[in-house]
Amino acid sequence: EAQVTQNPRYLITVTGKKLTVTCSQNMNHEYMSWYRQDPGLGLRQIYYSMNVEVTDKGDVPEGYKVSRKEKRNFPLILESPSPNQTSLYFCASSDGSDYGYTFGSGTRLTVV
Amino acid sequence: GQSLEQPSEVTAVEGAIVQINCTYQTSGFYGLSWYQQHDGGAPTFLSYNGLDGLEETGRFSSFLSRSDSYGYLLLQELQMKDSASYFCAVVGSGNTGKLIFGQGTTLQVKP
Repeated sequence: EAQVTQNPRYLITVTGKKLTVTCSQNMNHEYMSWYRQDPGLGLRQIYYSMNVEVTDKGDVPEGYKVSRKEKRNFPLILESPSPNQTSLYFCASSDGSDYGYTFGSGTRLTVV
Repeated sequence: GQSLEQPSEVTAVEGAIVQINCTYQTSGFYGLSWYQQHDGGAPTFLSYNGLDGLEETGRFSSFLSRSDSYGYLLLQELQMKDSASYFCAVVGSGNTGKLIFGQGTTLQVKP
């Protein structure tokens, strides 16, 4: 089944403890992206990637890192999480042909 | 700056037609996409307009006017399952993968 898989689905962590949210797609898509969703603010792009080793900042990149060493994986790294990074996170991928993204199921992160 | 404007809420009855508007101001523009999101779920892609005009996909249609920086999503023969949030999103110029979403419109379909 074609899909984008994120892990974990839910995570509660403490301020300052490094964490990684994994994202993997099995559709051989070139484009991958991370978003955060907060009430009243819609979906905001954190980072995006056009291909392996090609990444760029979205609208809200502060406090996040990404890497794209393989085409299928695009992990999101929070080196020192803070409570304002409590949010619902989505990973998405696209082959760019119809400019439509397939989203993962989301990761609900709480930083206390 | 960059901004997309959508109504925050729309209510309609089953079987009716509803139009969700989206106006945008962005520094780069390649096209306009629409996504649906049910409560607690992931956004799902509905349509894309790269050129002016109407794109039809079943009960859903999407329209774009580049000169007016305006688009809309038209939902026909509304069903209860269409109750969801709908987001317009600007695809950035050059199709680099940059995607800017509006804040979303919550559609409530009533019997």
